[in-house]
Amino acid sequence: IAGITQAPTSQILAAGRRMTLRCTQDMRHNAMYWYRQDLGLGLRLIHYSNTAGTTGKGEVPDGYSVSRANTDDFPLTLASAVPSQTSVYFCASSEGGFRYTFGSGTRLTVV
Amino acid sequence: ILNVEQSPQSLHVQEGDSTNFTCSFPSSNFYALHWYRWETAKSPEALFVMTLNGDEKKKGRISATLNTKEGYSYLYIKGSQPEDSATYLCASGGSQGNLIFGKGTKLSVKP
Repeated sequence: IAGITQAPTSQILAAGRRMTLRCTQDMRHNAMYWYRQDLGLGLRLIHYSNTAGTTGKGEVPDGYSVSRANTDDFPLTLASAVPSQTSVYFCASSEGGFRYTFGSGTRLTVV
Repeated sequence: ILNVEQSPQSLHVQEGDSTNFTCSFPSSNFYALHWYRWETAKSPEALFVMTLNGDEKKKGRISATLNTKEGYSYLYIKGSQPEDSATYLCASGGSQGNLIFGKGTKLSVKP
């Protein structure tokens, strides 16, 4: 592992199903983030965590939840997926709020 | 939540042209301004992080300036090449360190 690993790379999900997107970093960064990327809307912050044990809501948190049990992992859960959650999801981490590292993304399609 | 605006939304230039785009952000409680280069299906690539009013950064043919008092940053590309085609994102760091992104400027450079 080098940097941020996201899994799965892509997923097709039936509406109403529960799904957890995984994100793991090996840089010991304190802060981690989840963004979604949609055409014409850029990257929008879903949830963030400034340190293990704490989380906060971003710009578009509804329908998503996160947890930060330890420094390395920051999973994003869709409790009951809806088609509007079809998107590409990027996990990121930073140390000191300056240098950010992004994962390679998870492409999620909700049908 | 910060509101970060970028213009233009898209730009088409010929190879060899120089070009620039604008990022505007709230100047109050400014923390840091980031520029990223982003190609479809790839992770955003960090170009610059700027924190000080009057900051200028340069990386090859790409440079950026920052005005924190009036809340804007310019990204310049000198002698555009087809490989410069990408979406250029700016982001302003929030008080918690989480980045709020603009919607990006999509640059297309024709050979």
